Amino acid sequence: NAGVTQTPKFQVLKTGQSMTLQCAQDMNHNSMYWYRQDPGMGLRLIYYSASEGTTDKGEVPNGYNVSRLNKREFSLRLESAAPSQTSVYFCASSGDPDLGYEQYFGPGTRLTVT
Amino acid sequence: AQSVAQPEDQVNVAEGNPLTVKCTYSVSGNPYLFWYVQYPNRGLQFLLKYITGDNLVKGSYGFEAEFNKSQTSFHLKKPSALVSDSALYFCAASYSGAGSYQLTFGKGTKLSVIP
Repeated sequence: NAGVTQTPKFQVLKTGQSMTLQCAQDMNHNSMYWYRQDPGMGLRLIYYSASEGTTDKGEVPNGYNVSRLNKREFSLRLESAAPSQTSVYFCASSGDPDLGYEQYFGPGTRLTVT
Repeated sequence: AQSVAQPEDQVNVAEGNPLTVKCTYSVSGNPYLFWYVQYPNRGLQFLLKYITGDNLVKGSYGFEAEFNKSQTSFHLKKPSALVSDSALYFCAASYSGAGSYQLTFGKGTKLSVIP
């Protein structure tokens, strides 16, 4: 039982390049999330997916797109990377949050945009 | 808009002493409150939560937290700190209904336990 996995672990991009961050969970959770973590700012929600086939914007969605490929997988795409997107990105999943289920986090992807 | 405040960037405590990490929140409706811990270069690990019921909740590794509705606080506590408790701690809040998907995090408190 791997929990939440993310690939890659590290990535360096040049400004304007694109990339996709991959996330998968094996806990049969309906809900999945993408966050970014910046020093001194905690975690901020980028997008979430309440269930397969749905996605919604979080607090900081600009510059990102997401795809809920199936129940297990939720990807985050940067179409044209900018230095402001240098951050650590975390994927998470949970059972129904309205029932109070906690989120489980992946190990993160450290992205640097030069 | 909901918000979470962790007023202390850093807390230092001697090993064996009790520790407290403070958190206050502002949400619409019934709050769902969480504490997570992050070790260096790792993801966040869930410690405990308050959803409803008893105001004192117990979690992993001997941690507990008290929900105080009148003070809108959810402070994390442990009776006797260990060096291995040194880490970054995050308080997070959402609320029942449509807001349950949007978890808002505090900026984090770095806990250092001194041997």
